[in-house]
Amino acid sequence: NAGVTQTPKFQVLKTGQSMTLQCAQDMNHEYMSWYRQDPGMGLRLIHYSVGAGITDQGEVPNGYNVSRSTTEDFPLRLLSAAPSQTSVYFCASSYGTAGEQYFGPGTRLTVT
Amino acid sequence: AQSVTQPDIHITVSEGASLELRCNYSYGATPYLFWYVQSPGQGLQLLLKYFSGDTLVQGIKGFEAEFKRSQSSFNLRKPSVHWSDAAEYFCAVGGGGSARQLTFGSGTQLTVLP
Repeated sequence: NAGVTQTPKFQVLKTGQSMTLQCAQDMNHEYMSWYRQDPGMGLRLIHYSVGAGITDQGEVPNGYNVSRSTTEDFPLRLLSAAPSQTSVYFCASSYGTAGEQYFGPGTRLTVT
Repeated sequence: AQSVTQPDIHITVSEGASLELRCNYSYGATPYLFWYVQSPGQGLQLLLKYFSGDTLVQGIKGFEAEFKRSQSSFNLRKPSVHWSDAAEYFCAVGGGGSARQLTFGSGTQLTVLP
């Protein structure tokens, strides 16, 4: 199993550009989520999904969209990038309400 | 809403010394608690978790943590630190009575002196 994969590893955007961060898992986990990590703030939940077709907002959802059309994939879309979205983004997945969350390697995004 | 506080931003210990990293949480019911470790430029690795039962939990790499409900704490300990333990450590609590929707503390950076 590849586990949780994220692409790209690094990305530089200009303010106002849009892009999609990809996340995929091959463990048949129904729960997937996106976090952002900023210095001194730990990780903060952006959006999560409890299954295909079901998504919900986390702590910091503004400026981000998600969709879940398959169990395996959970892309995160930035509609109009802002410098405040410069961060490291982590995707995670788990099975069941008590299952361990497995994290991807992260995407480092810089918005200039 | 739940919250997690890690009061120590940075801790320095000598190799072979004991370690304790502090974590305090706020949650209305019995929490799902976690400790993760992150090496530079890497993702997060789960060290240990507490859901219920024995309040002293053992994890990987020789780490353990003790859940103390009366103090709302879940401190991480290791009796003898190795240089490879240098990393950032995060405490987290699950939301909605589950292991999902984690709320993380701000992290503790551990430096290990030779």
